[in-house]
Amino acid sequence: EAQVTQNPRYLITVTGKKLTVTCSQNMNHEYMSWYRQDPGLGLRQIYYSMNVEVTDKGDVPEGYKVSRKEKRNFPLILESPSPNQTSLYFCASSSDVGRSTDTQYFGPGTRLTVL
Amino acid sequence: GEDVEQSLFLSVREGDSSVINCTYTDSSSTYLYWYKQEPGAGLQLLTYIFSNMDMKQDQRLTVLLNKKDKHLSLRIADTQTGDSAIYFCAEKFGSGAGSYQLTFGKGTKLSVIP
Repeated sequence: EAQVTQNPRYLITVTGKKLTVTCSQNMNHEYMSWYRQDPGLGLRQIYYSMNVEVTDKGDVPEGYKVSRKEKRNFPLILESPSPNQTSLYFCASSSDVGRSTDTQYFGPGTRLTVL
Repeated sequence: GEDVEQSLFLSVREGDSSVINCTYTDSSSTYLYWYKQEPGAGLQLLTYIFSNMDMKQDQRLTVLLNKKDKHLSLRIADTQTGDSAIYFCAEKFGSGAGSYQLTFGKGTKLSVIP
């Protein structure tokens, strides 16, 4: 079954304690992306990756890091989380690199609370 | 980044048509999308339209694109209670060197009244 998985699904942590949210897709997609969703603000892109070892900043990259060492994985790293990073995070992947329409497959979401 | 604007709420009666509107800013957008998010779930692609099209119909869904006014709409015919969800408009635009981004609107919460 084609899917995007994220772990953990729920996380409560404290300010300053480094954490990683994993994202994995089994569709051999080149493109992967992280979004955060906040009430009244919709989805905002944090980082995206066009392929292995290629990452770019989205609209709200501050306080986050990503890596793309393998095609299937795209972890989101918060080196020193702060309360303003409390949010619902979605990972997404797609195969398109601009040739035609793509279907972005979204993960189930990770609800992060930073105290 | 680019801007995508949507109204935040819409209420309709079951069986009526729903029309969700969206405006965007980037005239070089290649594709425009509608996503649906049900409570507690991720986003699901509903439909899309290529920027050189005016209209696309897919069963109960009709997408209209007015490229001159940068206005996109999603019409849901015979709205059902299962259509209650948040609907996101998104535009795809190139961000240089062969890469692209999606910008999402804030989402329109559709409530269907039985």
